[in-house]
Amino acid sequence: GAVVSQHPSWVICKSGTSVKIECRSLDFQATTMFWYRQFPKQSLMLMATSNEGSKATYEQGVEKDKFLINHASLTLSTLTVTSAHPEDSSFYICSASADTEQFFGPGTRLTVL
Amino acid sequence: GEDVEQSLFLSVREGDSSVINCTYTDSSSTYLYWYKQEPGAGLQLLTYIFSNMDMKQDQRLTVLLNKKDKHLSLRIADTQTGDSAIYFCAESHDAGNKLTFGGGTRVLVKP
Repeated sequence: GAVVSQHPSWVICKSGTSVKIECRSLDFQATTMFWYRQFPKQSLMLMATSNEGSKATYEQGVEKDKFLINHASLTLSTLTVTSAHPEDSSFYICSASADTEQFFGPGTRLTVL
Repeated sequence: GEDVEQSLFLSVREGDSSVINCTYTDSSSTYLYWYKQEPGAGLQLLTYIFSNMDMKQDQRLTVLLNKKDKHLSLRIADTQTGDSAIYFCAESHDAGNKLTFGGGTRVLVKP
């Protein structure tokens, strides 16, 4: 199946700093990528839908100025958590859409101290 | 809005069958999925079913869909210890489009 990678796998940062997470489709082109976050022992919540070459569509309640999404190419989308705070600590998972399936990345664990 | 519900926990003995249930509210759901998540990892697609199907079987996995009751189930035959994980059902309106996930069912397989 298609492979989606995320980088970094985990990151620890200080409160107030910004963190960039990359999501890459390695062997296919993805016009649409999705960003989810998952709190411990909870389900995945969609944050935004990212389309190549256009602005991301954010779900209700997600601050677009805090979670900056850039989908610059058909194989790369980035999520930047700006001015991170401890409550932003979570597991961030991206997925890339190919035909009828979404392929998920392995996730990035963000811990904000 | 869409809502997808699952039971929280299932314990099963190795070699038995597991049945994980899911209900959803959106009658326009077209695709229904089952994903598996192991600790600290991303999601692995196990199987999916179109809303115009009643059943789909893939090796040890059997998906049953009752569209009238908006009920989806995943049966795992001959459950193994490697099947211990969290299982999420999810729905979408369009193939490859955004997914709405259930809360996940933690399956523990006892030897």
